[in-house]
Amino acid sequence: AQTVTQSQPEMSVQEAETVTLSCTYDTSESDYYLFWYKQPPSRQMILVIRQEAYKQQNATENRFSVNFQKAAKSFSLKISDSQLGDAAMYFCAYSGTSYDKVIFGPGTSLSVIP
Amino acid sequence: DVKVTQSSRYLVKRTGEKVFLECVQDMDHENMFWYRQDPGLGLRLIYFSYDVKMKEKGDIPEGYSVSREKKERFSLILESASTNQTSMYLCASTYGRVPEAFFGQGTRLTVV
Repeated sequence: AQTVTQSQPEMSVQEAETVTLSCTYDTSESDYYLFWYKQPPSRQMILVIRQEAYKQQNATENRFSVNFQKAAKSFSLKISDSQLGDAAMYFCAYSGTSYDKVIFGPGTSLSVIP
Repeated sequence: DVKVTQSSRYLVKRTGEKVFLECVQDMDHENMFWYRQDPGLGLRLIYFSYDVKMKEKGDIPEGYSVSREKKERFSLILESASTNQTSMYLCASTYGRVPEAFFGQGTRLTVV
């Protein structure tokens, strides 16, 4: 069975600095999707970034980028120029090609210090 | 924009009550999901449905059932609520071959 692990329950970053959130996963599939979701205090889950496993190039979305290491089964999220609005719970997630479900990690709570 | 709407943001129910959590999506998505979110455990899948009247058990289906009579609506049912079902419940939907999930705003259920 696939699993997703986030080893950092809590992280903090100074405003305008860079922070990296870690995620590892386990799967026997060769093709799959990986995601980072953000859940602010409003509780509305928002997709931050998506990576297809067959693409070697790391995905980027404005200040958010990932470091995807397929052999190591690692998928970290880098947030550059952190802003107060980045404070949230961040979930790493995995979905295989059967499209039947998305598996989530336990989450990392990110605080941004002014 | 895709909209996934859950019927309540907060709900307080008594032990033994039958509880209905409703979820509606407006984008004709085939797949719908119910997750339970607890601190330190992330989101755990309760049930999902990939078509009308179809349902599949997720990782923690015990104590829950679901109903999908129409494509846009997916209901989670707690047959006899218990205190260990106090949690945040999230509904989500996906479409096509890209499993990007769109979420509702969550229902925080307290069973007393």
